[in-house]
Amino acid sequence: KNEVEQSPQNLTAQEGEFITINCSYSVGISALHWLQQHPGGGIVSLFMLSSGKKKHGRLIATINIQEKHSSLHITASHPRDSAVYICALNYGGSQGNLIFGKGTKLSVKP
Amino acid sequence: DTGVSQNPRHKITKRGQNVTFRCDPISEHNRLYWYRQTLGQGPEFLTYFQNEAQLEKSRLLSDRFSAERPKGSFSTLEIQRTEQGDSAMYLCASSPRLYTGELFFGEGSRLTVL
Repeated sequence: KNEVEQSPQNLTAQEGEFITINCSYSVGISALHWLQQHPGGGIVSLFMLSSGKKKHGRLIATINIQEKHSSLHITASHPRDSAVYICALNYGGSQGNLIFGKGTKLSVKP
Repeated sequence: DTGVSQNPRHKITKRGQNVTFRCDPISEHNRLYWYRQTLGQGPEFLTYFQNEAQLEKSRLLSDRFSAERPKGSFSTLEIQRTEQGDSAMYLCASSPRLYTGELFFGEGSRLTVL
């Protein structure tokens, strides 16, 4: 069993829709990251969470430590949001050894 | 642009050859990380430096792999005697001296072993 599971694996949405991507994990963590990866490979860090909720523009990330679950929400989605969204965990006090999910591929149609 | 820079962006090599990738982190970021990503998978941790010290290494890093950060600035990742299974994207990331948790990634170096 993977320590981190993302759902859905693939998601197609119409422009303007509200999108939710989920991340569930089974290990104790010190922090959880949401990353965005565009075609070609470049990765951008969106959020790092250890509790509660963070918001940046149209993106909102939440985490429930007790339930070992995090969600990434995108409001008013746009075709430029099309990318792979990856959940990654910091665990065991390790600062570099992230455990990555396989990612959720999001495609937003105009 | 002062982001994380990786070179080369793409390397095609024949099995058995050695390859070296370079990562230039954001200036004054003392933490530097290498990850490997195969097609359709999330990245996997390879190794981590704080300044010039290599503090963590994954078991994925076989004896054919070596990474250095000699002066605590740029880093190199060398793969000796490449195998087809080494074909992947090699990603470098750095984070600031005062660790905020945010990682700044380079564009990656894609390796194709024929």
